[in-house]
This record gives sequence, C-alpha cells and structure tokens, in this order.
Amino acid sequence: AQKVTQAQTEISVVEKEDVTLDCVYETRDTTYYLFWYKQPPSGELVFLIRRNSFDEQNEISGRYSWNFQKSTSSFNFTITASQVVDSAVYFCALSGLNSGYSTLTFGKGTMLLVSP
Amino acid sequence: KAGVTQTPRYLIKTRGQQVTLSCSPISGHRSVSWYQQTPGQGLQFLFEYFSETQRNKGNFPGRFSGRQFSNSRSEMNVSTLELGDSALYLCASSSKLQGSDTQYFGPGTRLTVL
Repeated sequence: AQKVTQAQTEISVVEKEDVTLDCVYETRDTTYYLFWYKQPPSGELVFLIRRNSFDEQNEISGRYSWNFQKSTSSFNFTITASQVVDSAVYFCALSGLNSGYSTLTFGKGTMLLVSP
Repeated sequence: KAGVTQTPRYLIKTRGQQVTLSCSPISGHRSVSWYQQTPGQGLQFLFEYFSETQRNKGNFPGRFSGRQFSNSRSEMNVSTLELGDSALYLCASSSKLQGSDTQYFGPGTRLTVL
C-alpha cells in the first residue's frame, strides 16, 4: 500500500519569508513518481512538479525548489521569498508501478497562509 | 491548449436522487481519472478510463460508476445519493503515452446532497 504524509496541516508566514512544506512517502514500488500540486481557493489542482524515483537531483524553478531524498523517503518543497499569491493548499502525491501509474495517492495537504 | 473542463460546476441534489457529472479532457489526452475530495477523507481516487475501458478502480461502492466515450470525454454517475457524497469531484486527464504522465486537473464539480 502507498501512503503520503504531510505532517504540517497549516503554516502561516509573513510575505518574503521562506517556507518549506514537508512530504514523506511510503511505497513498496521500486519505480514511482512524486508530484506536488497547488489548490487555490477556486478548487482546481494546479500541477507544479513531477519527479521519478531514479532522479534525486534537486530542482529549482524561480522561487520554488524541491528536495528529493530517497534515503529518508522525503520530497520537500520550499518557497523562497513567499508572496500573498502563494496562499493555497499544497498537496504531495505519489503514483507507483503496481497501480499502472494511474492512481495518485495524495497527502492530506498543507494550507499555506501568506500575509502581507 | 484548452484545459480540462467539467460541467456542471455546482450541483445541489437531495438524498436518493442520482447525478451525472461530465469531464472533457485536454485535446489529445486519452486517459481520464476521477477523484473525490472531502474535508474528512481528503483526495481519493475513484476510477480511471483509457480508450473507453475502465483500467483501475478505487475503493468506492457500486453506486459510483463511470464511462468514457470515443472522443475521450467521460461521465461519472452516482446513484441513490447519500449525504456523505457531498464533495468536490475532480477530473484529471493525461496523455498516457509513457509511464506516469502527469495528470492535469479540471476545476471540479461541487456536489451538495441535502
């Protein structure tokens, strides 16, 4: 069985602060994919990043960066110099070979509130 | 490219009724997946369709069903609605050309059961 844990239910920061959202996963698959999605109040899940289990290279995209560590089964997401528009719920998700990659297992999400 | 569209966006039904939700995937995408999002259970996978065939199903009762048409559009149906079916229903599409192609989500249909 697969499991994704986002221990932080809600995080509040002031604009321009850096913030890290934690994600820990469990899977028996040797090949799997990890994702981060953003859900603003409108409800639509917006894709942010996909990473496969063989690629542990960290990635940076503008103010966003991701740290994938297979040894600790973690895939953390950092927003640098946060902005009010970053306020949303962020979900970490996992899909594995055993489900044919068709099933996304989501964490419970972390609500990020960025105040001016 | 137009994104995933879902209709209707909001729906109010009463217990015992049935409902049909529609999803149009991104052009060229052949896989459509459905998810239910509730405050208590979070995001849960319902089922996935690819080329008009259901390829995977989540742990939901038989009241939840779906289908996919030859143009890849998909519908899901919930019969004999219960209060607990109130949720945001999200549809996602992917090209499924290789491995785990990214699933792109629509805006969802918010169903309220009274």
